[in-house]
Amino acid sequence: EVLLLESGGGLVQPGGSLRLSCAASGFPFSTYVMNWVRQAPGQGLQWVSGISGSGGTTYYADSVKGRGTISRDNSKNTLYLQMNSLTVEDTAIYYCAKGNALSGLVWDSWGQGTLVTVSS
Amino acid sequence: DIQMTQSPSTLSASVGDRVTVTCRASQNIFSWLAWYQQKPGKAPKLLIYKASTLETGVPSRFSGSGSGTEFTLTISSLQPDDFATYFCQQYNLYPLTFGGGTKVEIK
Repeated sequence: EVLLLESGGGLVQPGGSLRLSCAASGFPFSTYVMNWVRQAPGQGLQWVSGISGSGGTTYYADSVKGRGTISRDNSKNTLYLQMNSLTVEDTAIYYCAKGNALSGLVWDSWGQGTLVTVSS
Repeated sequence: DIQMTQSPSTLSASVGDRVTVTCRASQNIFSWLAWYQQKPGKAPKLLIYKASTLETGVPSRFSGSGSGTEFTLTISSLQPDDFATYFCQQYNLYPLTFGGGTKVEIK
């Protein structure tokens, strides 16, 4: 069974930083594209960032480019998202999502999400 | 960026109804479209990808169609478990983008 477990969310002041983690199990982690998708309270879904299985290729939404860094440790089956210079607009539930076997750009498994609240 | 527009934003229907949700892309995305279902407090669930391919385990009452810029998600006979919000997502070009969602409510 595929399991994705996010952690690292919480309350942070504007301008602060957070590192989100996603621990994966139940599948060969290093062979799958992984992504972060977020959802502001009561709002729709927004793709944040993606990373290839090897970690060598990364993609970012404009809203986090320059402030966010996606990475992965395949020896630990863990995905990360480092977010800096946080603003209130970054307040959201952050989900990690696994690409399906045919395309890393659609996501067949999701974690339960971790809530990031940016507020003074 | 490719804009994805869903309609309607809210849909009221009864159990057994045939339901159709529309998603329009601001430019040609070929068949690179997925549909997700999300229930309150839960993560999204993949229903359909490549416009019409049903994800494993998804009931056959769900179907998808379309190509280019116009797509539809159809639920042939709405079941109690189907009351949820549905999102389309294009994956033709980065940044990957979603529609605003369609909430299917009980009539």
